[in-house]
Amino acid sequence: DIQMTQSPSPLSASVGDRVTITCQASQDISNSLTWYQQKPGKAPELLIYDASILDAGVPSRFRGSGSGTDFTFTISDLQPEDIATYFCQQYDSLPLTFGGGTKVELK
Amino acid sequence: QVQLEQSGTEVKKPGASVKVSCKASGYSFTTFGIIWVRQAPGQGLEWLGWISPYNGNTNYAQKFRGRVSMTTDTSTSSAYMELKSLTSDDTGIYYCATCYSSFLISNWGQGTLVTVSS
Repeated sequence: DIQMTQSPSPLSASVGDRVTITCQASQDISNSLTWYQQKPGKAPELLIYDASILDAGVPSRFRGSGSGTDFTFTISDLQPEDIATYFCQQYDSLPLTFGGGTKVELK
Repeated sequence: QVQLEQSGTEVKKPGASVKVSCKASGYSFTTFGIIWVRQAPGQGLEWLGWISPYNGNTNYAQKFRGRVSMTTDTSTSSAYMELKSLTSDDTGIYYCATCYSSFLISNWGQGTLVTVSS
């Protein structure tokens, strides 16, 4: 199974900050990586797929990059509505596996 | 648009089974695969398995083989996930989701809370 190691968790930041989360795969997954946002009591919402492509309607302050084993997710200008938990997930091969999540909190 | 409507909250005793349903609408049911993911309270996401509504093929996570069964009913555009021999560790929210042939997840159901308690 491919292990996904996500950091940091939690993460404290202020409105307007640039926030960066990293995700490392235990083997090469090419660009088969998604980033999700999950708010309490809600299902995850897709933000980015294929490591760097924004899903329709996702604000441009969200960005993903990387390929192979190392990936980065950035929020360039943190907004109050961005307070949530963020997960990475690989879909290069079954079983699908997820990072442990990063809870973004307001400082 | 694609919508997945899941069945309601379940409360089960240890050793029992639970069957969660997921009714799809807004697309041709056999177009996308269905995956099941669970989330224990305050924890991360765990993949249970995948089923193709097109041909019924399945792939289950090793951890759940022998205890999980996934089925579909194309006449009602519904998918089902049954988990047997429940323990308290199975308490959590169970999600269905659609996925492309690449296994990229596209849309999620709202989740079904399963509580296992004596």
